[in-house]
Amino acid sequence: DVKVTQSSRYLVKRTGEKVFLECVQDMDHENMFWYRQDPGLGLRLIYFSYDVKMKEKGDIPEGYSVSREKKERFSLILESASTNQTSMYLCASSLRNQPQHFGDGTRLSIL
Amino acid sequence: AQSVSQHNHHVILSEAASLELGCNYSYGGTVNLFWYVQYPGQHLQLLLKYFSGDPLVKGIKGFEAEFIKSKFSFNLRKPSVQWSDTAEYFCAVPPSGGSYIPTFGRGTSLIVHP
Repeated sequence: DVKVTQSSRYLVKRTGEKVFLECVQDMDHENMFWYRQDPGLGLRLIYFSYDVKMKEKGDIPEGYSVSREKKERFSLILESASTNQTSMYLCASSLRNQPQHFGDGTRLSIL
Repeated sequence: AQSVSQHNHHVILSEAASLELGCNYSYGGTVNLFWYVQYPGQHLQLLLKYFSGDPLVKGIKGFEAEFIKSKFSFNLRKPSVQWSDTAEYFCAVPPSGGSYIPTFGRGTSLIVHP
């Protein structure tokens, strides 16, 4: 079964800190995604990657960057964390046009 | 661009009631459709999928969905809900054309009272 592993379930950081969220998948999927999930707003795409070192902006990329140096790993970086980035962050992977597989999520609080 | 609408944002039912959650999509060509479920504290997981063939699709835990092309709909149904069906439900369309990005509905929060 596909496993998407996010490095932390809960994370508390301070404003201005640089924050790294890590995601690893074990099924050789070419596509990986980072979403944030907020009540009433559904899933909003931050960034996605369709190949190693390739990345594309999603709907809300401001304040975030990503890195994909290896096929199995996709990192989300908050360059300078702010309180409005407090949220649930979801990583997903998939083959093209196939259902996505999601990690357990990271609940990030910025104080 | 493709869009997905879920008209019911919050649904509250009693156990044994029947469930139907609406999902409408905008694209008129060949379309694939998914329903995902997120139980409290758990990851999003696939509930059922439609690629082609029989428009009535069976999923896990007694759920089914019917693809009606003329109505651009893919509604999720369950004849008798249980307390354990309390969850968030998302309808989604995978990428089409040259896009890599799936399209999700806003989600429907279902609460089932015992």
